[in-house]
Amino acid sequence: GAGVSQSPRYKVAKRGQDVALRCDPISGHVSLFWYQQALGQGPEFLTYFQNEAQLDKSGLPSDRFFAERPEGSVSTLKIQRTQQEDSAVYLCASSGGGRDYGYTFGSGTRLTVV
Amino acid sequence: SQELEQSPQSLIVQEGKNLTINCTSSKTLYGLYWYKQKYGEGLIFLMMLQKGGEEKSHEKITAKLDEKKQQSSLHITASQPSHAGIYLCGADGDYNQGGKLIFGQGTELSVKP
Repeated sequence: GAGVSQSPRYKVAKRGQDVALRCDPISGHVSLFWYQQALGQGPEFLTYFQNEAQLDKSGLPSDRFFAERPEGSVSTLKIQRTQQEDSAVYLCASSGGGRDYGYTFGSGTRLTVV
Repeated sequence: SQELEQSPQSLIVQEGKNLTINCTSSKTLYGLYWYKQKYGEGLIFLMMLQKGGEEKSHEKITAKLDEKKQQSSLHITASQPSHAGIYLCGADGDYNQGGKLIFGQGTELSVKP
């Protein structure tokens, strides 16, 4: 596609509910990143894929967070047993590998846990 | 670990005025990215700087990286309401494989018409 697409745009979950956030990167982009952005803060790294391989998951805050990219394109970030502190905007970015072109970000999914 | 500090945290300027946003790193920067974010939207890539002393411009926005590669500035000339938003600087992690970015906390810019 023309850009990075994320769905849903907004998600309200009851505490304890499981959620799944989807990211559809730019076609052909090898690298895919997930970030978490709390209100009034900069994005914080969660995890990174190169094709289907998850090369870095050091930013995942707990074992309730799980990400996958089984075929090296679409990625899903899953949060189990959501807590109020999980409320944030979750951003996905993809890159073709060339640093000069930056990373293309999606519009994000705003998750609110009530 | 690397940290980025942005200043000011927020800025209100009159339309037509110039302004500067600063980004300071605790470690040498390998790649410094500037992004703009509108509320509720994703990040829009502005510029990337890599070499000490490098300067890039796009329309009325100029970004510079100092010689020591620990500080960058973003300068907007003759600001317009369309420049309003949150400006974020991001840096490659210090182990630099072209991987994750570490971001500053952002600078919120408002431009009064």
